[in-house]
Amino acid sequence: QKEVEQNSGPLSVPEGAIASLNCTYSDRGSQSFFWYRQYSGKSPELIMSIYSNGDKEDGRFTAQLNKASQYVSLLIRDSQPSDSATYLCAVKRPGGFKTIFGAGTRLFVKA
Amino acid sequence: DTEVTQTPKHLVMGMTNKKSLKCEQHMGHRAMYWYKQKAKKPPELMFVYSYEKLSINESVPSRFSPECPNSSLLNLHLHALQPEDSALYLCASSQGQGEVRNEQFFGPGTRLTVL
Repeated sequence: QKEVEQNSGPLSVPEGAIASLNCTYSDRGSQSFFWYRQYSGKSPELIMSIYSNGDKEDGRFTAQLNKASQYVSLLIRDSQPSDSATYLCAVKRPGGFKTIFGAGTRLFVKA
Repeated sequence: DTEVTQTPKHLVMGMTNKKSLKCEQHMGHRAMYWYKQKAKKPPELMFVYSYEKLSINESVPSRFSPECPNSSLLNLHLHALQPEDSALYLCASSQGQGEVRNEQFFGPGTRLTVL
């Protein structure tokens, strides 16, 4: 079992729809969870971080964390073609520095 | 806006060359990272420096040699690389050791091609 798992996609949604990206992790002691957006040929950009159970909203983005079920998700409301990118879920191991990245989900938003 | 800068943006080198990648952060962070990313793969951790000391070396071949001259600068010295080392090399920084909220911020990367 991979430490951080994501559906590789591609996930295709129409413009204006809600895109839902999911991620599961294996280390129950993990405390820090991140979503990065990466455009083709560019570096990852941090868009959300979440540390406690529940929802965290920032503009059109909502991160959801359920530690009991060991999953974290990212909702993108009113999806735009500019949201088309690969979304990387990242989970920091307890203690130390190491952050494990999922393989990423490719999102396509159709105009 | 990224406050982590990397130079050069692109680098082409032969297998016998010696070159260096440079990274600078202006965020007051005390931890800095080198990652390697191949196409359609997630970033792969290579090294972590915490308070200018090497904290993690993920069994990286010795042809990659990191250096942290001060808390703002991070170098990666390259020597006798192989074509399979061609990748995007990413630098990142975060606040410091033991931080739960260890958000990492990436620089724009150096696209390395080894001929």
